[in-house]
This record gives sequence, C-alpha cells and structure tokens, in this order.
Amino acid sequence: GAGVSQTPSNKVTEKGKYVELRCDPISGHTALYWYRQSLGQGPEFLIYFQGTGAADDSGLPNDRFFAVRPEGSVSTLKIQRTERGDSAVYLCASSHHRTGELFFGEGSRLTVL
Amino acid sequence: AQTVTQSQPEMSVQEAETVTLSCTYDTSENNYYLFWYKQPPSRQMILVIRQEAYKQQNATENRFSVNFQKAAKSFSLKISDSQLGDTAMYFCAFMLLNSGYALNFGKGTSLLVTP
Repeated sequence: GAGVSQTPSNKVTEKGKYVELRCDPISGHTALYWYRQSLGQGPEFLIYFQGTGAADDSGLPNDRFFAVRPEGSVSTLKIQRTERGDSAVYLCASSHHRTGELFFGEGSRLTVL
Repeated sequence: AQTVTQSQPEMSVQEAETVTLSCTYDTSENNYYLFWYKQPPSRQMILVIRQEAYKQQNATENRFSVNFQKAAKSFSLKISDSQLGDTAMYFCAFMLLNSGYALNFGKGTSLLVTP
C-alpha cells in the first residue's frame, strides 16, 4: 500500500493476556519505529529498527515488551502478560533513512480490561 | 536527554484568523531537526513542517510557517488563514541527528478552529 498500515485498528484484551500488534511500513523504507501514545499525551518512543536489527530499544518500558522485524519489512510488537497500564494507542512509523521524515500509521488502540 | 515543552494545552481561533502555537526545547546538541505534526481524530500523525537547525531561514509551507529562534530554543508554529480542517492536536517534535532519528514529542496543543 501507499502508506503505513497497522493491524488491528482496535484490540481489547484481558489483563494477563498476550498481544501482538502488526506494522506494515512503506515499501522501501529501511527505518521503522514504534511509539506509544497514552490519552492526552504525545507519543513516546519505544523502539527503532534499521533493517532487521533493533538499533535502539531504549524506550521499551520493561521485558514484557518485545518487537521483531525478521525480514526488514513488517514488524510485530509483542506484549506479554498485559497490564491495564499498557492501554494506549501504539503508533508505527517508517522512514527512508536519509530524509529523516517519519510517516505514521493510524495506530492500534489497545485496551486492557 | 532532549525535552520538548508545549505550554498551551488548548487554543481556539476563528476561521480565517491567524494563530501561533508555542514550543520550546532543551538540548546541548547542535545538529537536529524540529517538526510540527498534526494529529486529527483519525489518529494519523501528519507532518506539517520541518526545520533543520543549521538553517537560519524559517521554514514555510503554504499557510504554515515557523519562527525558529535557535539561541532561545524556541520553535513556534504560525497558521495563517485558519480553516476548519486545521482543527486537530498539534505536536512539536525534536530529532537528534546521527542518533537513530527517534522523535521526542511535546504533550501537544489542541487547536479548535471555529466558524
């Protein structure tokens, strides 16, 4: 597609469950980012991929959060043992490394009951 | 660490008028970009305008322009001839070059354009 695609758009789960959120970046973009946006806040950086490797994962809040990008394109953000505080919109963005301009998807809204 | 501060949680402007959104940032680095992003209710962040710190000239994009004061670490956004479609959350963001290009966002300003 022409833009960054994220699925699911909305996800409701119960506390303690495992969740996967998918991001399909713009074709040819080598850099991919995950951000988390809580209600009334700006997005917070989670992790950045350059190709297949995580170049910077300093924003992941704890070891329940993990992300992969095995073939350098689609990425999956994985959250184990979800907690109510994980409820937020998870935004994915991609960029061509040289320009530095990030293109965002519409996000996945996660609600943990 | 770089911080971005937006001191105006909410603003309102009448259609066709001009409004200025404030942003300050804190960094000890010299090589960075600054951005304004717009987030309508659809949730998708849309780039409004970008400023490279090494450029003295203020960036402009049609009705949108910035006032970049590097010494003061200030980066305000001016929207001229406001339109109803400009209603959205506006986020100021900072990107440090050669560090992964991760964006640091402010908390945002909710702009309402009224008829």
